[in-house]
Amino acid sequence: QKEVEQNSGPLSVPEGAIASLNCTYSDRGSQSFFWYRQYSGKSPELIMFIYSNGDKEDGRFTAQLNKASQYVSLLIRDSQPSDSATYLCAVERGSQGNLIFGKGTKLSVKP
Amino acid sequence: SAVISQKPSRDICQRGTSLTIQCQVDSQVTMMFWYRQQPGQSLTLIATANQGSEATYESGFVIDKFPISRPNLTFSTLTVSNMSPEDSSIYLCSVASAPGSTDTQYFGPGTRLTVL
Repeated sequence: QKEVEQNSGPLSVPEGAIASLNCTYSDRGSQSFFWYRQYSGKSPELIMFIYSNGDKEDGRFTAQLNKASQYVSLLIRDSQPSDSATYLCAVERGSQGNLIFGKGTKLSVKP
Repeated sequence: SAVISQKPSRDICQRGTSLTIQCQVDSQVTMMFWYRQQPGQSLTLIATANQGSEATYESGFVIDKFPISRPNLTFSTLTVSNMSPEDSSIYLCSVASAPGSTDTQYFGPGTRLTVL
């Protein structure tokens, strides 16, 4: 089983809709979870991080964490064409900050 | 967040040669990491660059192939040695102010390497 799994997509949603991106992880001891956005040809940029079970909201973005199910998701409300990118889920392994990345989900928001 | 720069931004190299990539941060950071992103793939951690000691390499990466220096808290280099076309990739450095779950990692702009 891969450490961090994501659907590769592409996930296509119409402008204004909610985009839902999902991620599962294998290490039950993981404590920290991150979502990065990567535009084509650019480096990843941090969108959100979450440490506690439940929801965490920041503007149009909501991260959801369920440690019992080893599941983390990212919701993007009122999706915009500028949200079109690859979204990378990352899980911290160990205590030294090492991040394990999923393969990413490519999101396409259609005008 | 810290401002991170990398040099060179891109390079085309011949097989068998070596390339050193520099990562500079505008503030002191505790942790610096080097990642590789192969075409169409996600990020893979190569090593953690430790200030004042040898880097900590991930499984599948060795010091002879990817020597790393970290002379101070704002600078690190990654050398890709004896390159082959399979080393063609984007190499990214990232930084964090503290280890563990209390801080987040930010990435530099990356170095796009093509090996012919």
